[in-house]
Amino acid sequence: AQSVTQLGSHVSVSEGALVLLRCNYSSSVPPYLFWYVQYPNQGLQLLLKYTSAATLVKGINGFEAEFKKSETSFHLTKPSAHMSDAAEYFCAVSDPTSGSRLTFGEGTQLTVNP
Amino acid sequence: KAGVTQTPRYLIKTRGQQVTLSCSPISGHRSVSWYQQTPGQGLQFLFEYFSETQRNKGNFPGRFSGRQFSNSRSEMNVSTLELGDSALYLCASSFKGDGTFVHGSSPLHFGNGTRLTVT
Repeated sequence: AQSVTQLGSHVSVSEGALVLLRCNYSSSVPPYLFWYVQYPNQGLQLLLKYTSAATLVKGINGFEAEFKKSETSFHLTKPSAHMSDAAEYFCAVSDPTSGSRLTFGEGTQLTVNP
Repeated sequence: KAGVTQTPRYLIKTRGQQVTLSCSPISGHRSVSWYQQTPGQGLQFLFEYFSETQRNKGNFPGRFSGRQFSNSRSEMNVSTLELGDSALYLCASSFKGDGTFVHGSSPLHFGNGTRLTVT
């Protein structure tokens, strides 16, 4: 069974500050990991994914995440927050046999203050 | 390329009724999956279809069903609606380059969802 835990349901940062959204996973097989973003009244958009290649993954909009097997973590970071980054962020896990079945974390609502 | 299209965007139904939601995947995508999103339970997997066959099913009662057509369009149906079925229903499509069943590494492309309210 797989699971994802996102620490902090709400994170607030100032514009220009570092964004750090935490994600820890549990998987009995080597995982694939994803970060998605959801803006109000919209679906989910893929930010980045880890699929067992480089452990540091760069995504869209300046986001990146590092896969740390020893810590079972896949934290999302962005060096400098922008007002347009305010949204809900979801970490998700799958494995080679999952097909399109993703297990999502509870989500982290990011607020960016001017 | 057009994205994943879900219709309708909003639906209001009464308890006990049934509802059908529609999803058109990105052209060329043969896998369609459905997710339910609620404030209490978060994002939960409903089912996945590939080549008109259900490949995966989540832990939902039999009132939730789906199907996929030969053009990869999909519908999901919820019968005997309950208040707890109020949710945002998201459809996602994905593909694998060789056209076979998608791998777990294939990213999902989501539509904007159908907001279902049951009164």
